[in-house]
Amino acid sequence: DQQVKQNSPSLSVQEGRISILNCDYTNSMFDYFLWYKKYPAEGPTFLISISSIKDKNEDGRFTVFLNKSAKHLSLHIVPSQPGDSAVYFCAASVNNAGNMLTFGGGTRLMVKP
Amino acid sequence: KAGVTQTPRYLIKTRGQQVTLSCSPISGHRSVSWYQQTPGQGLQFLFEYFSETQRNKGNFPGRFSGRQFSNSRSEMNVSTLELGDSALYLCASSPGTGGRIDIDEQYFGPGTRLTVT
Repeated sequence: DQQVKQNSPSLSVQEGRISILNCDYTNSMFDYFLWYKKYPAEGPTFLISISSIKDKNEDGRFTVFLNKSAKHLSLHIVPSQPGDSAVYFCAASVNNAGNMLTFGGGTRLMVKP
Repeated sequence: KAGVTQTPRYLIKTRGQQVTLSCSPISGHRSVSWYQQTPGQGLQFLFEYFSETQRNKGNFPGRFSGRQFSNSRSEMNVSTLELGDSALYLCASSPGTGGRIDIDEQYFGPGTRLTVT
């Protein structure tokens, strides 16, 4: 039973436009959420996080939105750049569970020049 | 500052054998976590070590084990390998200070690609 799901395996966006990546979760105990970017032959790289007490967190071109009632989060990238082309994973954490993360299956983002 | 290093990067083993993978965390980091990435199951948490003690464990059979040394380096071992153990094994290290900041400061290594034939 996947507790964190990314229903879109891939997304293609034109350079300069907005990329929106979505993630749904089922476990109500999750209270901290993260997005990672992964290039081939490299480990995931942390992008941005959000606590369940917030509904939005922004860092440069990246904004994460959290809708607790819908158990849904999204990552917005504006404007999208070709270098953003990678696989994006959302991940969730339960308080007092150390650094244990539950990951979604990933979405491959392709930004076309 | 050097990143997380994992050795070996690639490994081919035969069913029934055992394998040991190594992870050297970022200098000063005391927490090490291991993940398995497969096409079917995605990224799954194996275990986390802090100060040589296993702090958390994922839902994997007992064939998967790990340990951490006093210098924070960690190894994971898989005994009696099965074809389904073919995966990318990722190690991540963090300062070990605890809390959400510690999770944000978790850095992943490039992984060890294990192929079981």
